[in-house]
This record gives sequence, structure tokens and C-alpha cells, in this order.
Amino acid sequence: DIVMTQTPLSSPVTLGQPASISCRSSQSLVHSDGNTYLSWVQQRPGQPPRVLIYKISNRFSGVPDRFSGSGAGADFTLKISRVEAEDVGLYYCMQATHFPYTFGQGTKLEIK
Amino acid sequence: EVQLVESGGDLVQPGGSLRLSCAASGFTVSGYWMHWVRRVPGKGLVWIVSSNDDGRTIMHADSVKGRFTVARDNAKNTLYLQMNSLRVDDTAVYYCVREDCSGHCKKFDTWGQGTLVTVSS
Repeated sequence: DIVMTQTPLSSPVTLGQPASISCRSSQSLVHSDGNTYLSWVQQRPGQPPRVLIYKISNRFSGVPDRFSGSGAGADFTLKISRVEAEDVGLYYCMQATHFPYTFGQGTKLEIK
Repeated sequence: EVQLVESGGDLVQPGGSLRLSCAASGFTVSGYWMHWVRRVPGKGLVWIVSSNDDGRTIMHADSVKGRFTVARDNAKNTLYLQMNSLRVDDTAVYYCVREDCSGHCKKFDTWGQGTLVTVSS
């Protein structure tokens, strides 16, 4: 199984400041079709998860443009340009290139 | 509006069975890959099973293989997760997830609100 490793596991951030989460996979996430199926999932307190970004860097409709994803191969990053109060919660990277699909351990974003 | 609503979560004893339902609205489940993901209390998200659009291809996580299965009722536009031989470590909130393939696949665009399964004696 592919292991997804996130750092940091906790990220206290000042409102209005940037935040960054790293995700590394134990092997390349490039699919045989040439795509890399790496998503970022947000779970706010008391809410179901929702995917913010798919295929490394594509934002879903309605996701603020302060969220951006980057990376390639086995090394990926989620960046929030200016953290807002509503961004508090858990963030997971998820790979859907190979079965079984796997998630990172989760990074808790909180406000200082 | 595209929506998924799970139900059926309950308290069950180890070794027992439970069937979760995921009622879809705003789209037809028969045209989509559908997935179940769980969140274990105090831990993270774990993918457990996927069903392709016609329901003939099902992929399971090793932890549930042979115990959990997924089925569809197209007339009711509902996905089911049949869980047998439940164990304490199956305790989790279970989410039903739609995968959108318009343009590109592997876009998990719709998640239900979740249903809690507690396995305890």
C-alpha cells in the first residue's frame, strides 16, 4: 500500500498569514494514463470532508483561490495564502492513483 | 442539487451485522463510481470500498475484505454497505462519496454527512 506522510501534523497560524502542508507518498503517484491523482481534503469541525483540490492543483468550484496545490511525482504541497478563521480544521492528502486509495495522517490547522 | 444522505448507523455488538444506506438525489448512482470512506474516532480518513458505475467491479480494503460488500438499488437510487462480522475497530463515521468523471476521473466531488457505527459489547 502507498503510505502518505504529511508534515506538519499540527499548524498554528496567525489569521491573515500563509500556511503550507507537505505530503509525500512512498512511491510515485503518476498513473499509467499520465495523470497524478493527488487530492487535498478539508474537514472542518462538525462537517463532512470535502475535496478542495484534485489532480495536484485543480480547485473545485467554490473553493477560494487562496488555496493552491502543487507538486509532482511523490512530493506535494497545499498552500493557503492568507488563513481565515473558516479554514480551521483537518487537512488530508489523498492518493487515488493506486488501489487501495490512501490518505495522509491529517494536519490540524488552528489559529494562534 | 447533488446530495448523498447516509443512514443506518447504530450501536452493534462485535460479530454483528449492519447495513448502511446512501440515498442519492440530483443524479443517478448507476452512472458513477461510488465509494465508502470512514473516519475512525481520533484518527484519520480511511478508504474502505469502491464500486464502479455498473456495480460489477468492487475494490475492497484488506481490512474489510470478506466482511463488507457494496450493492446498488438503481430503482431507489441508493447505494448500500453491508457490514458483517463487525469488530470493535470498525467503529467509525462512514461516508458515502461520489466520484465525478466529467473531463477527468478521480474527482470525489460529493460526500454525505456521515453515519456513525459503534461496535461495542
